[in-house]
Amino acid sequence: DQQVKQNSPSLSVQEGRISILNCDYTNSMFDYFLWYKKYPAEGPTFLISISSIKDKNEDGRFTVFLNKSAKHLSLHIVPSQPGDSAVYFCAATVNNAGNMLTFGGGTRLMVKP
Amino acid sequence: EAGVTQSPTHLIKTRGQQATLRCSPISGHTSVYWYQQALGLGLQFLLWYDEGEERNRGNFPPRFSGRQFPNYSSELNVNALELEDSALYLCAGRWGDYNSPLHFGNGTRLTVT
Repeated sequence: DQQVKQNSPSLSVQEGRISILNCDYTNSMFDYFLWYKKYPAEGPTFLISISSIKDKNEDGRFTVFLNKSAKHLSLHIVPSQPGDSAVYFCAATVNNAGNMLTFGGGTRLMVKP
Repeated sequence: EAGVTQSPTHLIKTRGQQATLRCSPISGHTSVYWYQQALGLGLQFLLWYDEGEERNRGNFPPRFSGRQFPNYSSELNVNALELEDSALYLCAGRWGDYNSPLHFGNGTRLTVT
């Protein structure tokens, strides 16, 4: 039973354009969501998060949108850069539940120069 | 401030053997989380230790166990290794309170032959 799903295993985008990575969840108890970026041979690196009391959080080129009614979140990267090429994981947790994260399967983003 | 460190980087074992993986969390922080990333899959929660106690475990068989030492470092032990245990094992800690994101080490790549 996958509670967090990333239905696109890969995404290819031209440098300078927008990258949109999507994530769906089924557990309505989740109230805190995070995005991590992972390069090969490295651990995941925290990117951006959003609480369920918000519908948008922005940090530089990265914006996360949350649609609670649809149980859907997305990560927008604008403009995309070749260095953004990595695997992106969305994760969800119940706040104050010890920060145990449930991860999606990841989306591999390739930004072409 | 040092991040999460894991050793060894790579580990090769044969089926039926035992593997021991080590993790040193962020200095001064008491929680350690273990995750498994099997090939092509997302991160699966394994174990959470805090203040020397096991706080929660994921849906893994009892062959997966661990402990946390008084200095908050941790070991993950996998007994009776099976081929499907081949994966990247990631350890994570937190910079702040329960609401702060997890920060991951670079992992141990376990290969079972």
